[in-house]
Amino acid sequence: DIQMTQSPSTLSASVGDRVTITCRASQSISKWLAWYQQKPGKAPKLLIFDASSLESGVPSRFSGSGYGAEYTLTISSLQPDDFGTYYCQQYFSGSRTFGQGTKVEIK
Amino acid sequence: HVQLQQSGPGLVKPSQTLSLTCDISGDSVSGDFVAWNWVRQSPSRGLEWLGRTYYRSRWFYDYAVSVKSRIRINPDTSKNQLSLQLTSVTPEDTAVYYCVREPDSNRINYFDYWGQGTVVSVSS
Repeated sequence: DIQMTQSPSTLSASVGDRVTITCRASQSISKWLAWYQQKPGKAPKLLIFDASSLESGVPSRFSGSGYGAEYTLTISSLQPDDFGTYYCQQYFSGSRTFGQGTKVEIK
Repeated sequence: HVQLQQSGPGLVKPSQTLSLTCDISGDSVSGDFVAWNWVRQSPSRGLEWLGRTYYRSRWFYDYAVSVKSRIRINPDTSKNQLSLQLTSVTPEDTAVYYCVREPDSNRINYFDYWGQGTVVSVSS
């Protein structure tokens, strides 16, 4: 299986900060990567697919980039509603593996 | 607007069968190009894809290697419903289970709609 490693595991930032989360795959996954946001007690919500395509209805402060084995999710200006845990997911291979998550806290 | 409403017991005894149902609205379980999946989440295993089914002139099924010998995903076109059966459960199967849509079955894909999740505990 392709392993997905996210960093950092936790981050604390202030409203208005620019936040970046990194996801590294154990091999190249071309651009087949998605990002999700999950709030406590809720299902994950799709933010980004195909590494950089913004899902309909998702605020434009969220953006994704990367290719090959390294990807980033950026929140250009952190808002109070952006707290939660963020996950990357590869869909290059059939196992569709997820990263372990990055918990974002608002200072 | 696609909605996935899950139901099923929250407690299953070890060695028994876990059974969950997902009612689909706003789309069809046999719809063109979409696929219907089950994903689970636990503190020890994180988010884990379990399997999917989709219809392209006939039904296709893909299952994760980790559960392949124990899992069955069944579509019910009369009820527009998806079901999950996981046999011979152990405490390791304790997790939140999600019914999930994959928007394009032509290739392996991301997940755009999720059910609300069902907490299942395996305990005697």
